[in-house]
Amino acid sequence: QVQLQESGPGLVKPSETLSLTCTVSTGSISTYYWSWIRQPPGKGLEWIGYIDYSRNTNYNPSLKGRVTISVDTSRNQFSLKLTSATAADTAVYYCARQLYSTSSGFLDYWGQGTLVTVSS
Amino acid sequence: SYDLTQPPSVSVSPGQTASISCSGDKLGEKYASWYQLKPGQSPVLVIYQDNKRPSEIPERFSGSNSGNTATLTISGTQAMDEADYYCQAWDSTTPAYVFGTGTKVTVL
Repeated sequence: QVQLQESGPGLVKPSETLSLTCTVSTGSISTYYWSWIRQPPGKGLEWIGYIDYSRNTNYNPSLKGRVTISVDTSRNQFSLKLTSATAADTAVYYCARQLYSTSSGFLDYWGQGTLVTVSS
Repeated sequence: SYDLTQPPSVSVSPGQTASISCSGDKLGEKYASWYQLKPGQSPVLVIYQDNKRPSEIPERFSGSNSGNTATLTISGTQAMDEADYYCQAWDSTTPAYVFGTGTKVTVL
């Protein structure tokens, strides 16, 4: 059973960078694809982006270049950075394992999610 | 942008069948997946690539996808199936994964 756990600050100030880490407890992170998804309070899910085993990335264009996803294979972790945070970035952030890319892809294991609030 | 539209809510009696639709332009030409979300828990994949079910998901969950609509069907619905359900597909035009608007299933 693959387990994923998000960690990071629960409160971020406007204009600062939102940073989260996902620790994968079972199996190697050097295979598969690894995704970030978020859900603003009372709203639906939004895909943020993914990174693959070759460190290639694919981001949601709606986030307009503010997103960076990276991987640390030595720690079996992958991370999310979202710059210039605003209140609209307040959400529960999920990390997930993704099987396959693009049109065939789906998310088979998810973390429990962590709430990040952007506020001064 | 590509939109996937779901009914906001579906109510079903225990033991009956719940059907949740997900509508999008030519959705049948894409793969659809479905996720179950319950408060305080990790989301769960219930259907992938239109109609495939992960081994740990009960057989009462099934999926189909044709034309402009994907459908998640829960047969013999149980109280534990009460949750929010989201469909998902890849939009090659954007390009991005798109989630549906979400459906709250209530088991009365």
